[in-house]
Order: sequence, then structure tokens, then C-alpha cells
Amino acid sequence: SQQGEEDPQALSIQEGENATMNCSYKTSINNLQWYRQNSGRGLVHLILIRSNEREKHSGRLRVTLDTSKKSSSLLITASRAADTASYFCATPNFGNEKLTFGTGTRLTIIP
Amino acid sequence: EAGVTQFPSHSVIEKGQTVTLRCDPISGHDNLYWYRRVMGKEIKFLLHFVKESKQDESGMPNNRFLAERTGGTYSTLKVQPAELEDSGVYFCASSPGTKRGADTQYFGPGTRLTVL
Repeated sequence: SQQGEEDPQALSIQEGENATMNCSYKTSINNLQWYRQNSGRGLVHLILIRSNEREKHSGRLRVTLDTSKKSSSLLITASRAADTASYFCATPNFGNEKLTFGTGTRLTIIP
Repeated sequence: EAGVTQFPSHSVIEKGQTVTLRCDPISGHDNLYWYRRVMGKEIKFLLHFVKESKQDESGMPNNRFLAERTGGTYSTLKVQPAELEDSGVYFCASSPGTKRGADTQYFGPGTRLTVL
């Protein structure tokens, strides 16, 4: 079964609005990470939240983690055109480091 | 400090040919990973090196794929012979290996492979 699933699969908002993406996972985790992929480019690490943390901020990004519900959310405030990208959550397996990625949310910011 | 680099950025080959992808991790990073994203699907793990040793190759699809990491530095991923379903973007990532289970993996820009 798939470890990480993002919701929604695609999201279009007006520039300046906030964007929220959700991620669910199935097994116990040590941490959860969010990545961004701009079209045709590599993955950029955005933020890592540990299993004992509930919320973390980085600039315009806010990540929450609810281990009881096995879910996480990524909030981007005051969106900009440059935020247009695909966003992925990823979790490392216990005992090794390989990341399991979700299917991603395609975010489009409309100028 | 230079990030993870990958070469080539794009490769177009015909079915049955051989292609070798290269990854240069961040200097000093013991961990090196290969992932790929096929046909817009999720990004999937291929294998993990710790220095020059294969720690986990459970994601390698079949024996047409061969990965090496000479001297624990750069890594190559060879596909021989390439098939149509191998098309996709191949990502390499590295991490220091200092925080077990909590290391950030730094990704390269990827190699887009197209098999015709």
C-alpha cells in the first residue's frame, strides 16, 4: 500500500491566497519531510518535522503533524507565482533511510 | 558548497541501448540514494549506498539496472538494455549520515531519460 498520499492532487489559487496541502501515511514514522519540485527541476527540501513535534514554521511555510491521525499538512501563506510547483511529502522507513514519497500535489498560483 | 549534481540532464536513447547516469553527491556525504519518477507517478526508491557499500537495493526493478559507487564518492546507474518503461526522471540524493533516521536528503536536479 502507498505510504504517503497527498490531498488534493491539484490545487489552483489566486496569488496572495493561502494554500493548504495534506498528506496521510500508514506506518509509524521518525519524521516527515516536505519537498517541492518546480517543473523540469530537481527536488528541493522544504522542511522536516520530527515525530515528537506538532508544528513547525519556516518563512511562509507552516507544517503540522498529527501522529495519532497519521497525517500532516503544509500551509503556504501569501502565495506567490514562484510557488507554482509540485509538493511531496516523504517519510523515511524505520531502520533505514529510504524515503517513501506521496503522489504529490500540483499547486498552481494564478497571478 | 556545491550541491548534488547529476549528468546528463537529459538522455534520449533507443530501446535496447545502454545508458549510464552519473551522480556526484555533496562532498563528505556517506549516504547516496537513487530514486526515479516514472510517467508522472510517485517518486520511488531504487537503492541506497553507505559509502561504497549497497545498504539497500530493494527498489531496483530488475537486473537490467546496475549501480556502483566507486570509492564511496560518485555513483553511476547503468541501464542495459534499456526498455520503454525505463523512461522517467532519475534522481540522486545524498545525506551526511550523522543523524540516523533524521537526516535531510539533498536531491540533485535529476536526469530525464527517454527510451524510444
